[in-house]
Amino acid sequence: SQQGEEDPQALSIQEGENATMNCSYKTSINNLQWYRQNSGRGLVHLILIRSNEREKHSGRLRVTLDTSKKSSSLLITASRAADTASYFCATDAPGGYQKVTFGTGTKLQVIP
Amino acid sequence: DAGITQSPRYKITETGRQVTLMCHQTWSHSYMFWYRQDLGHGLRLIYYSAAADITDKGEVPDGYVVSRSKTENFPLTLESATRSQTSVYFCASSDGLATMDEQFFGPGTRLTVL
Repeated sequence: SQQGEEDPQALSIQEGENATMNCSYKTSINNLQWYRQNSGRGLVHLILIRSNEREKHSGRLRVTLDTSKKSSSLLITASRAADTASYFCATDAPGGYQKVTFGTGTKLQVIP
Repeated sequence: DAGITQSPRYKITETGRQVTLMCHQTWSHSYMFWYRQDLGHGLRLIYYSAAADITDKGEVPDGYVVSRSKTENFPLTLESATRSQTSVYFCASSDGLATMDEQFFGPGTRLTVL
């Protein structure tokens, strides 16, 4: 069963706008990652946030983690057409070293 | 070439046939993974391996067999393909130095079972 569920399932915005996608998970975690998948390609790691961190930045990406609500958000600022992709959160599986469980993804379309 | 490669990239087979998907990585990563990606399900873990000769089941292992005789290779075999195994298969690897490392993904194999 999926540990993470992304919301919304699909998002369409204009270039230059910010895009926010959310991930909710069911059981306690130690780490959460976000990945990007361009159409027809493998996933690419974007950022990892640990359970003792509340916020993390990487370039135009900002990730927050609220362990009390079992949720995370990924914010992409000043979006570009090249950001068009699907975005997945991944959480460490309970009791599974290196095993991760992926959510179902948010499909982002950035319109030029 | 450096990185993680999968072959074939596309495969069409018939129900009941045996199919092997290949995965090769050049980083000497300890961990390797096989996922399948289907619409509405995201990625689901089929099998993973912590090192050569060490493999373990993931979420959806039924109908699949893996082996890992060498660190760099992790083939996935469908012993008797079924239509429900039509999917896109991704191989990934990670170095296993932390509890949750970045995973590096191959380009995927699109498998169609007729």
